[in-house]
Amino acid sequence: QVTLRESGPALIKPRQTLTLTCSFSGFSLRTNGLCVTWIRQPPGKAPEWLARIDWDDAKYYNTSLKTRLSISEDTSNSQVVLTMANMDTVDTATYYCARTTRPGPAAAYFDYWGQGILVTVSS
Amino acid sequence: SYELTQTPSVSVSPGQTASITCSGTKLGDKSVSWYHQTPGQSPVLVIYETFRRPSAIPARFSGSSSGNTATLTISGTQALDEADFYCQAWDNDNAIFGGGTKLTVL
Repeated sequence: QVTLRESGPALIKPRQTLTLTCSFSGFSLRTNGLCVTWIRQPPGKAPEWLARIDWDDAKYYNTSLKTRLSISEDTSNSQVVLTMANMDTVDTATYYCARTTRPGPAAAYFDYWGQGILVTVSS
Repeated sequence: SYELTQTPSVSVSPGQTASITCSGTKLGDKSVSWYHQTPGQSPVLVIYETFRRPSAIPARFSGSSSGNTATLTISGTQALDEADFYCQAWDNDNAIFGGGTKLTVL
């Protein structure tokens, strides 16, 4: 059974760095074709893709946000960590991690999602 | 930057067919996924690789694509299908989501 769970602060101040952890089970990030992705969704808006880490440790970032983002894996604990620097009120959103299956170079889909964590940026 | 455009809302009567479209430049050449989301819940994958359906998703959900448009079709729409639907594709190693379509079953 595949499960993912996000953890981190519910409230963060502007200009601080957000650190979120995705704890997953039921699959290995060393399996060819599997990845973990972070996606956020502001209240009432569409999802926005943030970053992805692949089975071979390749990392991909949202072009518009890449200077603020970092994604890494703790293999021993089946966790993926996302950091996002210089948080602003517009970054208030529900942050999700999702298992991603990537059958080919230009094809990947988010087949299992965590429950999400609402992060509010406010002073 | 690449954009996906969806009609904000679609209404359908129970038992009828709902079509939700997603438009983007040469979208027919890309692999498209569709996600279903009800209020307060995480998105759920309903179509991947444009027309493939996860085993847990009912057969009334189907996907297609041609030219600049991808379409999610729900046959025999049920009240429990009422939700927001998002299309998604990849461009230059970035995942792009459409703005979403709210499906109302009335």
